[in-house]
Amino acid sequence: ETGVTQSPTHLIKTRGQQVTLRCSSQSGHNTVSWYQQALGQGPQFIFQYYREEENGRGNFPPRFSGLQFPNYSSELNVNALELDDSALYLCASSSTTGKRINEQFFGPGTRLTVL
Amino acid sequence: RKEVEQDPGPFNVPEGATVAFNCTYSNSASQSFFWYRQDCRKEPKLLMSVYSSGNEDGRFTAQLNRASQYISLLIRDSKLSDSATYLCVVSRGYNKLIFGAGTRLAVHP
Repeated sequence: ETGVTQSPTHLIKTRGQQVTLRCSSQSGHNTVSWYQQALGQGPQFIFQYYREEENGRGNFPPRFSGLQFPNYSSELNVNALELDDSALYLCASSSTTGKRINEQFFGPGTRLTVL
Repeated sequence: RKEVEQDPGPFNVPEGATVAFNCTYSNSASQSFFWYRQDCRKEPKLLMSVYSSGNEDGRFTAQLNRASQYISLLIRDSKLSDSATYLCVVSRGYNKLIFGAGTRLAVHP
């Protein structure tokens, strides 16, 4: 086990609704990244949080937003859900030390279905 | 065109076989390279980092050719437990990982 937890494990929403997904990072890690994985595809980078600030964003619209808390846990919020938002949402925790790129450890994911 | 391209497979091989996966990436500014393994309906897990000098971890050997922007993974003496999807991953800057769509491997008895 990586020590990264996500909740909920599964979620069903309807178009237009809003959703909040949660991630608890591994102990000692200060960075959380979020990825979206559609069926049959590799994960796509949504954004990353480091020390409670957004530290890079992928090609996702503003209705995808996030937060990081002082204990380094994180939330991903998606507004105005669309059918194409149905996917596995993965968070990954890592430690950032200077410019060193350290291994990212993935949580088990939240499977979101939008009807 | 996707930034990281992989043959989706599936590769169906018998136990004990040697199998090789290839991957190409389009952005020459990519700095770090990895292979991740993902089991069905599970999270990706780091299999190994890939270095220009090539590196080996047991039955797994990874190679990087920066000039050709090409990454490979060789698995020797395949086991049933090697059945999974193998994701080629590149990174530049702030820990952003860029994944290929993955290559499926099925090892049969």
